[in-house]
This record gives sequence, structure tokens and C-alpha cells, in this order.
Amino acid sequence: AQSVAQPEDQVNVAEGNPLTVKCTYSVSGNPYLFWYVQYPNRGLQFLLKYITGDNLVKGSYGFEAEFNKSQTSFHLKKPSALVSDSALYFCAAFRGSNYQLIWGAGTKLIIKP
Amino acid sequence: GAVVSQHPSRVICKSGTSVKIECRSLDFQATTMFWYRQFPKQSLMLMATSNEGSKATYEQGVEKDKFLINHASLTLSTLTVTSAHPEDSSFYICSAITLAGFQETQYFGPGTRLLVL
Repeated sequence: AQSVAQPEDQVNVAEGNPLTVKCTYSVSGNPYLFWYVQYPNRGLQFLLKYITGDNLVKGSYGFEAEFNKSQTSFHLKKPSALVSDSALYFCAAFRGSNYQLIWGAGTKLIIKP
Repeated sequence: GAVVSQHPSRVICKSGTSVKIECRSLDFQATTMFWYRQFPKQSLMLMATSNEGSKATYEQGVEKDKFLINHASLTLSTLTVTSAHPEDSSFYICSAITLAGFQETQYFGPGTRLLVL
């Protein structure tokens, strides 16, 4: 069965430190992978996506993600965390039909001043 | 670009009443819209996929007679929760895919918080 896993429910990082939010996937065919961020009581905002090409994808707000085919991972990264990055982050992958997505469980990112 | 709005943002209703939630793509045409439900501290649950001009496709376990979806135009989809009950209280989010540009990217509305008393 196709799936997306975010192994960490919560990640705590000090402001200014690099952050990583992990995501692994199991999908058939070439993966289309996405990261979205959700602020409290808000909808989701698109951060970045991997379709093809360079394994390192750059997105909004200074975030980037690295596609690793051998490890079936698509970890989200940022070199220097901001308190305002605190939010809920979702990794997703194409389900394969009608542009539907398979969603990870989400990771709560807390950046402490 | 690619802005999606939802109305209302929050609604409180009595048990047994129906509630309509609107999802609009403001600056683009959306052939496909998705309706999600999100429980506290949980991921998104896809309820249905709505294609303009055709019947919505519901996910397994979602009652199509309870959650009526209409996608009458390329910029508007509505979700009506019929005869709402307290267990229908949730955060409902819609998303849309653009006709032009990168069709694989879903753009989300801000969500509607439904509380059924």
C-alpha cells in the first residue's frame, strides 16, 4: 500500500539552529512529493515540491528539501530556524489518480527563542 | 496568485440543521477541488474529489447523502453538511488545482471550523 510517513510527532529546535523535518514515502512509480505548512486554525500553505530534476528543491520561506531515491526520503530542511517557523508541517505524495494526495501524519515544529 | 477562499470561517449550528460551506478559487479556474476534514492534532482526511460539472467522488466511509458536494462552476464548490450532528464538528478544508500552470499543486482555503451543538 502507498504511504507517507513522518516519524516524528514533534521537533524542537532552538532559534538560529538548522532544522530537519523527516519524511519517507512508499509509492509506486516516480514520486511526486510535497511539503505543506499549517499555522494554527488555518489552511495549508504550499512550501515546495519535487517532480523531477535536481534532488535539492528550494521553496518558500527559506525552506528546502532533499529527495533521496535510495532512502525513499524527502526531508525538509532550513539552515537557520526562526520562531515564526513554528507550525505543523505535512509531507504528501501523489496517490496516482486525479491529483489526489497521500498525507503524512504531520510534524509539529517548535522553535524556541 | 492561486488564492482559495472559504466561507464561512467559523459556524455554530444546532443539531439537525444543514450547513453550507463555500470554496472559491479567486484568481484561477479550478477543474478539480478537494474537500478534507481535519480532527484536532491529526492529519487531513480526504472526503471527496470534486470535478467541475460532474458528480463528486467520495472516499470510502464518507456518506455522500450527508456531505453533499456541488461543483457548478470552475471557481466554486460547495459542501453541505445535512442534518448535522455533534460528531460532524470538525475543521473542513478545501483545496483546488489550477487549470493553467502546475496542475499537480493543490492550493488550500483557510478552512471552516464547524461546531454542532
